[in-house]
Amino acid sequence: QKEVEQDPGPLSVPEGAIVSLNCTYSNSAFQYFMWYRQYSRKGPELLMYTYSSGNKEDGRFTAQVDKSSKYISLFIRDSQPSDSATYLCAMRAGGYQKVTFGTGTKLQVIP
Amino acid sequence: DVKVTQSSRYLVKRTGEKVFLECVQDMDHENMFWYRQDPGLGLRLIYFSYDVKMKEKGDIPEGYSVSREKKERFSLILESASTNQTSMYLCASSSIQGSQPQHFGDGTRLSIL
Repeated sequence: QKEVEQDPGPLSVPEGAIVSLNCTYSNSAFQYFMWYRQYSRKGPELLMYTYSSGNKEDGRFTAQVDKSSKYISLFIRDSQPSDSATYLCAMRAGGYQKVTFGTGTKLQVIP
Repeated sequence: DVKVTQSSRYLVKRTGEKVFLECVQDMDHENMFWYRQDPGLGLRLIYFSYDVKMKEKGDIPEGYSVSREKKERFSLILESASTNQTSMYLCASSSIQGSQPQHFGDGTRLSIL
C-alpha cells in the first residue's frame, strides 16, 4: 500500500463547477500538507501549504485537512479552463525535509 | 518569488554517455532536491542536499550521483546513461527556516536513445 493515495482521474467538469480533489494517507506523522498544480511540460507550482488540521482559503482555492481520517482535500470554486492541469498532493513529517507525493489527478475544465 | 532554473528543458543523449543536469536557485535556500517523474509513479526522490558538499540518498539513487559545490547550484550526474533513465527530471529547493515548502523548476525532459 502506498503512503499517499490519489485518484489519477481524469476528472472532467464544466466551467463554473466546484471541483473536489482528494488524497488519503497512512503515515500519522505527516504534519505539513501541500497542493501543487502542474501544467503540461512544466514543473509543479505550489498552490496551498497547510500545517496540521483545518481549512485554508486562498481566492477560489480551499485546502482542507482531516488528520483524524488521514484525508486531505482541495476545493476549486468557479472552475476555469485555465485550471486544467494535474494536481499533486504532497505531505511530510515535522522536522524532516523529505516529502511524499501523490501521483496526481488530471483535471480538465470544459468551457 | 522563488526562482529555480534548470539548464535544459529537453535533452537527448545516447546510452553509455555521462550526462549532467544543472539546477540553480536564487533564494539562498539550504535544501536542494532532485526527482524524476514518470507516468503512474509520480515524483520519486533521487538525491537531496541540505548544505554545500553534503548529500543524502533518496529512494532511487542507483545510477545517479550529485554534486553541490556552491549553495545555489545542485548538479545531477548520470554516470553511464541507460534507456530506463529516460524521464522528466525535476529540481526543487527549500529553506530550512520556518519549515518552508519546496519550490520546483520547470524540469528537464531527458531521452536516452
